[in-house]
Amino acid sequence: QKEVEQDPGPLSVPEGAIVSLNCTYSNSAFQYFMWYRQYSRKGPELLMYTYSSGNKEDGRFTAQVDKSSKYISLFIRDSQPSDSATYLCAMSPAPGGGADGLTFGKGTHLIIQP
Amino acid sequence: ETGVTQSPTHLIKTRGQQVTLRCSSQSGHNTVSWYQQALGQGPQFIFQYYREEENGRGNFPPRFSGLQFPNYSSELNVNALELDDSALYLCASSLWSQETQYFGPGTRLLVL
Repeated sequence: QKEVEQDPGPLSVPEGAIVSLNCTYSNSAFQYFMWYRQYSRKGPELLMYTYSSGNKEDGRFTAQVDKSSKYISLFIRDSQPSDSATYLCAMSPAPGGGADGLTFGKGTHLIIQP
Repeated sequence: ETGVTQSPTHLIKTRGQQVTLRCSSQSGHNTVSWYQQALGQGPQFIFQYYREEENGRGNFPPRFSGLQFPNYSSELNVNALELDDSALYLCASSLWSQETQYFGPGTRLLVL
């Protein structure tokens, strides 16, 4: 079993829909949770960062962490074609990754249809 | 404020050769991490450098080595290249103990 599981998709939704992206993990030491967006052949771009359990909202994006279920989510409201990209969840036991670095999921390929 | 930059953008090598990839940290950042991202996979942690010393290492063999310089820029060296080393190599910078890492655009390495 991988430490972080993420459905690779592709996930295709119509423009304007609410998108839900999820990851599950097995390492209970993870305390820091991130979502990155990666366009084709580019480096990952940080979208959201959350410490421990709870919700965080930034514009059209909401990140949720449920440590009791070892489950994290990213919601995108009013999705736009420009949101089409691969979304990577990442997590670590220490801030900045620490000596173990960030552990990533495989990424979910999201397609927003105009 | 400049972001993380990496060079070269693309590189083609043959099996058995050696390669050096370079990274300049985001302004003000003193910690650099390197990741390998194979096609269709998430990035895998190679190692992290802080104060010019390796601070942590993922599951990569010793032929993957690195350096960090006093200006916080960094190099990743890979010896005895194998076909499976073909990947996007990502550099990420942060402030020590800062919660987040910021990634560069990556260097795409192809080993033939």
